This record gives sequence, C-alpha cells and structure tokens, in this order.
Amino acid sequence: GDSVTQMEGPVTLSEEAFLTINCTYTATGYPSLFWYVQYPGEGLQLLLKATKADDKGSNKGFEATYRKETTSFHLEKGSVQVSDSAVYFCALRGSGGFKTIFGAGTRLFVKA
Amino acid sequence: DAGVIQSPRHEVTEMGQEVTLRCKPISGHDYLFWYRQTMMRGLELLIYFNNNVPIDDSGMPEDRFSAKMPNASFSTLKIQPSEPRDSAVYFCASTPAGANTGELFFGEGSRLTVL
Repeated sequence: GDSVTQMEGPVTLSEEAFLTINCTYTATGYPSLFWYVQYPGEGLQLLLKATKADDKGSNKGFEATYRKETTSFHLEKGSVQVSDSAVYFCALRGSGGFKTIFGAGTRLFVKA
Repeated sequence: DAGVIQSPRHEVTEMGQEVTLRCKPISGHDYLFWYRQTMMRGLELLIYFNNNVPIDDSGMPEDRFSAKMPNASFSTLKIQPSEPRDSAVYFCASTPAGANTGELFFGEGSRLTVL
C-alpha cells in the first residue's frame, strides 16, 4: 500500500539556518503530496502542496518540489525563525481517492 | 467561518469505561476523517466517510472501536471498553469534494487518557 517516510527528528537549528526535512513516498499512480505543520496544542494545518510531478509548492518561505523520479518531496527553507518551531508532517493522497496518509512527523526546534 | 469542532478537548477515564468523541465538520464538506496520533505510531488514519457513509475503516484497530456519522454535521468515535493503550490524541478532519485541492481541515483534537 501507499506509504510516506520522513526523516526522524528532532531537528535543532539556530535562527537563520537552512532547513531541509526529507520525505520519500511509495504509491501507485500519481498521488498528490502535502506538507502540514502542527504547532503545540493545535491540529494540523496545510503548509504547501503539489499535485503533479515537477510542481513546486511554496508558502511562508517554505518550498518543496514533487520529484517523481526519486519519489521525494523534501521540505526546505532558506532561513528559519524561532516561530517555525513545530512538528512537520509529509502526507500523500492517492490518485483517484481522498484517503490521505501521513509520515511520522519531524519535530523542529529553532534556537534564537 | 467555524472550523472543525471536536469535543471533549480532554478526557480522562478509567480502563473499561466507554468513551465517546464527537466531531462537527465544516459545513458543506463531504468527507470526514478520524485520525489517532501517538508518539510511537505517529498519525494513523482510522476511518473516513463520504456523504455520511464509511468508505474505508481498515485503520480501525479493534472491534472496541466504532464510528458513526448519522448526518452531515456530526460524527462520533466510540471506544468500548477503553484500555490504557488507547491513550492518544484523536483528530477529526474534513474536506469538500468539489473543486478539491486535497487539503484536510483539522480540528484541535481530543486528548484521551485511559488510566
């Protein structure tokens, strides 16, 4: 079945550092890919998405490119802020349906 | 606009008791999902509904778990009897079918502790 694998955390960075959180997937067909963010005590909220190969999703300085050849959707940000501290989830929605599955989540700590 | 509303936000109960978690999806959303979040297993999809009909319940862990959606604005997830290993945060999410971007809209979750 479909699955999502993302790098284990926690990831600890200093403010203004470069961020990469790796995400790879296994799926048949052409899934849609997502990154969600969860702040403490809250539900998940969509950060960005890409629906076809080579699409780049971007939002709030975060970017991710849908790479079908490597089945990857890595999250990047050029300069993180303390307010980016949260848990980040990579997710996949299979083609032809609405079932959405999530990776295990990666906790990010950003130090001032 | 109101988002997805879940209740209770926190529930502490003793092993063997029945637990009922409630969810009100965003009005007009056709799909409703129940997820469970734990440190060990991450975010697991338990079940999802389309137009009040269960589509996929393969993630429901045991017969102790049941979910219903009697109408478009209300769903319940019931655990009977509850066990300590059911302790987790349970999230409800909804999404519309038409012009769908794929985004799920999550509630704030119900934190369940079974003693």
